[in-house]
Amino acid sequence: AQKITQTQPGMFVQEKEAVTLDCTYDTSDPSYGLFWYKQPSSGEMIFLIYQGSYDQQNATEGRYSLNFQKARKSANLVISASQLGDSAMYFCAMRETGANNLFFGTGTRLTVIP
Amino acid sequence: GAVVSQHPSRVICKSGTSVKIECRSLDFQATTMFWYRQFPKQSLMLMATSNEGSKATYEQGVEKDKFLINHASLTLSTLTVTSAHPEDSSFYICSAGALGGLEKLFFGSGTQLSVL
Repeated sequence: AQKITQTQPGMFVQEKEAVTLDCTYDTSDPSYGLFWYKQPSSGEMIFLIYQGSYDQQNATEGRYSLNFQKARKSANLVISASQLGDSAMYFCAMRETGANNLFFGTGTRLTVIP
Repeated sequence: GAVVSQHPSRVICKSGTSVKIECRSLDFQATTMFWYRQFPKQSLMLMATSNEGSKATYEQGVEKDKFLINHASLTLSTLTVTSAHPEDSSFYICSAGALGGLEKLFFGSGTQLSVL
């Protein structure tokens, strides 16, 4: 079974609007971490936001917030006030306790329309 | 924040040659480094986990004799693609972590390998 599922291959959003990128995960580990990375066309992976499984509050980092719904096993990324520079691939990832590596979803390509 | 430097960013080589890619942690000691491969428009697939001073752990289906990994120091891991073939053409990206647990990993900028 896929550990990370991103069901939106592509998304469009108008500049200055908010957009939600979906991510669901699958794990039996009670302790895990969820991550979102941005990958522009240049290729580097840019860390955006992190949510720990025991965190009581949803993580926020500037214009990025993570809508963490533990019972539904979802960790959607919300980008507010979209900018043209937000156009990129976005990957959701999970790291389980005892496993050092990240499991990545298939990504969502976000295009911000002027 | 922590920085991981990966070099070269792009390499073109002839079939049959070997290519070395370096991954350095610049301001922290990376006990563990990860090597990923990414085909166009696809996700990152973990190839191997490299721990300083010990042999790398390869994921299923990854040929350890083809993709040689060396993690000789706490700041440097190298991936050598031996006898490269066109099907090895891909984007290779490393990441580094300081300790076990749930800290975020830091990624290098990636290497685009093209084998002619």
